[in-house]
Amino acid sequence: LAKTTQPISMDSYEGQEVNITCSHNNIATNDYITWYQQFPSQGPRFIIQGYKTKVTNEVASLFIPADRKSSTLSLPRVSLSDTAVYYCLVEGSSNTGKLIFGQGTTLQVKP
Amino acid sequence: GAGVSQSPSNKVTEKGKDVELRCDPISGHTALYWYRQRLGQGLEFLIYFQGNSAPDKSGLPSDRFSAERTGESVSTLTIQRTQQEDSAVYLCASSANVRGMNTEAFFGQGTRLTVV
Repeated sequence: LAKTTQPISMDSYEGQEVNITCSHNNIATNDYITWYQQFPSQGPRFIIQGYKTKVTNEVASLFIPADRKSSTLSLPRVSLSDTAVYYCLVEGSSNTGKLIFGQGTTLQVKP
Repeated sequence: GAGVSQSPSNKVTEKGKDVELRCDPISGHTALYWYRQRLGQGLEFLIYFQGNSAPDKSGLPSDRFSAERTGESVSTLTIQRTQQEDSAVYLCASSANVRGMNTEAFFGQGTRLTVV
């Protein structure tokens, strides 16, 4: 199984850019990298998915280097409402299609 | 319905009793997942259904846990002889499968199970 490692927690202030890095050293060739966000008392919500280089949507950007052994979720100009747990997942054949969540990164945004 | 629906939203049960948790996935989603989330912890994978394939039960913590899925619709997670350590939020998610790849998963609000 492809295992992911990410920091347990991070602090930031409103208006700052936040970068959360995830390592996935044994990612397989046809695996994708996906990030989810979870607010308290809610189920996780899909944020972004990528395979290589850079992906951007209205919420975040995802940077994936050429070796794909890590990825960085970038949240521009965070606000208090971005306080949540962020999970990095590897999806594909290495996990036989199922979604394996790690402990995630708890992001605390301060005023 | 518009999203994944789970019932009940809350369940309090006595130790030793059996409980059934229900999940109604989004219509047309072939993949369905169950997770357990203890307070302050990450999501613990329990079981994964994909279409008509045999389910991946590798995450079920003991033989007291079982799950069924009717075709590509509703799923039921059953916990027999509940223990206090089973107290957690149980989350269900579903996703479509496009050209062999599961698309984004949509989660229900979860069932909060308390064993007293």
